Amino acid sequence: EVQLVESGGGLVQPGRSMKLSCAASGFTFSNYGMAWVRQAPTKGLEWVATISFDGSSTYYRDSVKGRFTISRDNAKSTLYLQMNSLRSEDTATYYCIRLAMMVLDYWGQGVMVTVSS
Amino acid sequence: DIQMTQSPSSISVSLGDRFTITCRASQDIGNYLSWYQQKPEKSPKLMIYRATNLEDGVPSRFSGSRSGSDFSLTINSLESEDTGIYFCLQHKQYPLTFGSGTKLEIK
Repeated sequence: EVQLVESGGGLVQPGRSMKLSCAASGFTFSNYGMAWVRQAPTKGLEWVATISFDGSSTYYRDSVKGRFTISRDNAKSTLYLQMNSLRSEDTATYYCIRLAMMVLDYWGQGVMVTVSS
Repeated sequence: DIQMTQSPSSISVSLGDRFTITCRASQDIGNYLSWYQQKPEKSPKLMIYRATNLEDGVPSRFSGSRSGSDFSLTINSLESEDTGIYFCLQHKQYPLTFGSGTKLEIK
């Protein structure tokens, strides 16, 4: 069974940093691209970043470029999202997602990030 | 960026009825469109991928179709478990973009 378990969220002040992790199991992690998608409270879904299966390629939405870094450790089957210079508009539930031929097929349960002073 | 215009934003349907949600892409996305169902306090679940393909385990009353840049999700014979919010997603190019969502309720 595919499982994606996010961790590392919580309350953080504007301008500070936070690192999210996503532990994957139930599939060969190193064979799949991965992505982060976020959902602000009572809002729709917003793609954040994608990383290729081997980490050689990364893609970001413009509003997080230069502030967020997606990375992975295939030996640990873990995906990361380093978030720097956080803003109030980054407040959202962040989902870790597996990519199967560009299809976002399995989603984690999500982790809440609140940016507030 | 590719805009995905989804309609309706909400709908109330009777059990056993048939209904359709539509997403219109602002550019050609081929068949690179997926549909998701989200229940309250839950993560989205893939229902349809590549416009017309039913994800494993999804009931056959769900179907997807495409007509040019218009994509539709149809539920035949609505059941109570089908309530939730439905989103479309284009994965033709970055940034990936979602429709604004359709909230489906039972009348």
